Amino acid sequence: AQSVAQPEDQVNVAEGNPLTVKCTYSVSGNPYLFWYVQYPNRGLQFLLKYITGDNLVKGSYGFEAEFNKSQTSFHLKKPSALVSDSALYFCAVRAYSGGYQKVTFGTGTKLQVIP
Amino acid sequence: KAGVTQTPRYLIKTRGQQVTLSCSPISGHRSVSWYQQTPGQGLQFLFEYFSETQRNKGNFPGRFSGRQFSNSRSEMNVSTLELGDSALYLCASSLVTDIAETQYFGPGTRLLVL
Repeated sequence: AQSVAQPEDQVNVAEGNPLTVKCTYSVSGNPYLFWYVQYPNRGLQFLLKYITGDNLVKGSYGFEAEFNKSQTSFHLKKPSALVSDSALYFCAVRAYSGGYQKVTFGTGTKLQVIP
Repeated sequence: KAGVTQTPRYLIKTRGQQVTLSCSPISGHRSVSWYQQTPGQGLQFLFEYFSETQRNKGNFPGRFSGRQFSNSRSEMNVSTLELGDSALYLCASSLVTDIAETQYFGPGTRLLVL
């Protein structure tokens, strides 16, 4: 079965410090990995995706993520956190299952950037 | 370019009623997917439509149905509403129904079932 784990419900980081939001996945085929951000009372906003190629993916607003096949991880990172980065972050995996595309989201990680 | 729009934004219904939600994708996008977001179950995939045909379906009961029109606009219908159907319903559009395609989400419709 396909699954995504975001082990931390909340991550607190001081403004200006680097941040990491963790994501691990489990799929039987090749994974297509995505990160989204959700601000209060808003829909999801696409940040970045890994399809193939370079393991380091760069996305919107200075975010990047590293795909690690051996550890089945796709952690979201940013070198210097901003207060405006405070939001809910979702990791998602898409893969083929029984001939159909299947998408699974993690439970979300609330990022709190402290001024 | 206008983003994904969903109407209505808020809705209050009572148990047993039915509801129809609407989603207008980004111009030129032909794939529309629907998701349910609740505090308990998180984000769950409902179904995806492409060129007026349902291409993928999640694990929801038959009370949840959808359709897509020739202009790619999509509607989602929930019949015989239950309290547990209270949720934020999100619609996402993409150019095509490709597994690698980026999906763009609308602001959602918040449904409250009393």
